Amino acid sequence: DTEVTQTPKHLVMGMTNKKSLKCEQHMGHRAMYWYKQKAKKPPELMFVYSYEKLSINESVPSRFSPECPNSSLLNLHLHALQPEDSALYLCASSQGLARSSYNEQFFGPGTRLTVL
Amino acid sequence: SQQGEEDPQALSIQEGENATMNCSYKTSINNLQWYRQNSGRGLVHLILIRSNEREKHSGRLRVTLDTSKKSSSLLITASRAADTASYFCATDPTWTQGGSEKLVFGKGTKLTVNP
Repeated sequence: DTEVTQTPKHLVMGMTNKKSLKCEQHMGHRAMYWYKQKAKKPPELMFVYSYEKLSINESVPSRFSPECPNSSLLNLHLHALQPEDSALYLCASSQGLARSSYNEQFFGPGTRLTVL
Repeated sequence: SQQGEEDPQALSIQEGENATMNCSYKTSINNLQWYRQNSGRGLVHLILIRSNEREKHSGRLRVTLDTSKKSSSLLITASRAADTASYFCATDPTWTQGGSEKLVFGKGTKLTVNP
């Protein structure tokens, strides 16, 4: 299984809602990532989990809360979002080996988020 | 800030022609990767070239890397309508903490292949 799955595919939420995005991989990868991508822009890194521990937080606002319950799952909890947070949210994973190895990233199809 | 800059920003060609996209970056790297993204979808890894390699081939793809000029090119030969997508280079800067974990993406080239 060389697939990263993301649910839901589309999400519409109000600014007072709490919702969660889910990402799953069964490739035995030990690094998992959340990216945010606005239209016609490249993906921007939000968070990196390495061996289930948060290793990089790119100064993301606290209304985005990541969680890695186990090595196969990555969640992104959303609360009190703003309309400007509307974007495509991409999850990715990689082997997460030592720095001397070179890791390609496998991306999920993304969740299209609209904040009203 | 972005590490990679692709040019051109947009490229339109006819089926069967070759497409060349360029990427420039600013700092030392471990490797450079190219990804493809169909509209509104996830990214697909195409090819990775290490900093000590100069050229790499994969099917109809040819990637070159010139570390002295801090630039890379992606050549797609005999293009097909299905190659229509955005193409991003991504670098793995040696200066980042845990460098292999963090990719920095360029702005991308939008390729349109007309049937």
